[in-house]
Amino acid sequence: GESVGLHLPTLSVQEGDNSIINCAYSNSASDYFIWYKQESGKGPQFIIDIRSNMDKRQGQRVTVLLNKTVKHLSLQIAATQPGDSAVYFCAENTDKLIFGTGTRLQVFP
Amino acid sequence: DAGVIQSPRHEVTEMGQEVTLRCKPISGHNSLFWYRQTMMRGLELLIYFNNNVPIDDSGMPEDRFSAKMPNASFSTLKIQPSEPRDSAVYFCASSLARDGTQYFGPGTRLTVL
Repeated sequence: GESVGLHLPTLSVQEGDNSIINCAYSNSASDYFIWYKQESGKGPQFIIDIRSNMDKRQGQRVTVLLNKTVKHLSLQIAATQPGDSAVYFCAENTDKLIFGTGTRLQVFP
Repeated sequence: DAGVIQSPRHEVTEMGQEVTLRCKPISGHNSLFWYRQTMMRGLELLIYFNNNVPIDDSGMPEDRFSAKMPNASFSTLKIQPSEPRDSAVYFCASSLARDGTQYFGPGTRLTVL
């Protein structure tokens, strides 16, 4: 029969705009969250992490926001560049890391 | 610094053959993880080791899959016999601690014909 793959949500943004990628997590006991970036043909690459005692953390051009009340995580990328095009995964950690299905970010000129 | 090293990068084999995937974690990391990534199921944890000891193998699909970590710098994932549905990209990752940030290797793309 025909196989059906995971339908990755896609976010298309213009170069220079800000991107916001969202993620809902499932376990209220999760105490550590990570965002990974995966480019085509490569393994997931660590971007930024946040612990549950924080609600915001900033890196270089990236910011992660954590809302524990609604179990929501977001990744904000400022001044999005073509090199940011990739699939982005959030991951939550309790006793092991559980990955979300990912969001594809497409950057067009 | 060298990251996580995996070999081979690509493997094409026929159904029924034995396949062995290899991983060298980052030096000094105490935890090692094997993942499988497919279009159907995304990224799945198969097994992880802490200080060379298997801690959780609940993600290993069936008895055809086995993993070993004979020392802190080497791990293998073996599939015997391989089946077409095992075709996927297999990633190895390592971290300083079990709940620490995981760093991934480049993956092995396995195709079973």
